[in-house]
Amino acid sequence: EVQLLESGGGLVQPGGSLRLSCAASGFTFRTYALSWVRQAPGRGLEWVSAISGSGGTTYYADSVKGRFTISRDNSKNTLYLQMNSLRAEDTAVYFCARIVVVTGFDYWGQGTLVTVSS
Amino acid sequence: DIQMTQSPSAMSASVGDRVTITCRASQGISNYLAWFQQRPGKVPKRLIYAAFSLQSGVPSRFSGSGSGTEFTLTISSLQPEDFATYYCLQHNSYPWTFGQGTKVEIK
Repeated sequence: EVQLLESGGGLVQPGGSLRLSCAASGFTFRTYALSWVRQAPGRGLEWVSAISGSGGTTYYADSVKGRFTISRDNSKNTLYLQMNSLRAEDTAVYFCARIVVVTGFDYWGQGTLVTVSS
Repeated sequence: DIQMTQSPSAMSASVGDRVTITCRASQGISNYLAWFQQRPGKVPKRLIYAAFSLQSGVPSRFSGSGSGTEFTLTISSLQPEDFATYYCLQHNSYPWTFGQGTKVEIK
């Protein structure tokens, strides 16, 4: 069974940093691209970032480019999102999701809440 | 970047109604379009992929159509468990983009 489990969320002050993790199981981790998607309270879904199976190619939304870094450790079956220079508007539930090339997202984690506030 | 314009943003409907939600892409995306349902406090659930393919386990009252720039999600006969928010997603090119969402409420 495919499982994605996010962790690392919490309360952080504006300008601070946080690293999210997404532990994966139930599939051959290195063969799938992965993504982060977020949802601010009461708002819609926003794609944040994606990374290829090897980790060699990454993509970012303009809203996080230069502040967030996506990475993965295929030996640990774990996806990461390093978030720096956090702003109030980064407050959201952050989901990790598995990507299938032709069909998009097929599995999602339960999400982890990041709150940026003083 | 490709913009996804979803309409309506909200609607009221009754059990048994036929519901149609539309997403329009700012440029062609072939059939790289998925539809998701999200109930409050829950994880998004994929209903349709590749514009018209029904996700395994999803009731057949859900259907998708379209290609290029215009896409439609149809619920043929709305059921109580279908009251939720629906999103389209284009994954033709990065940055991937979601529609703004359609909240389907009980009339």
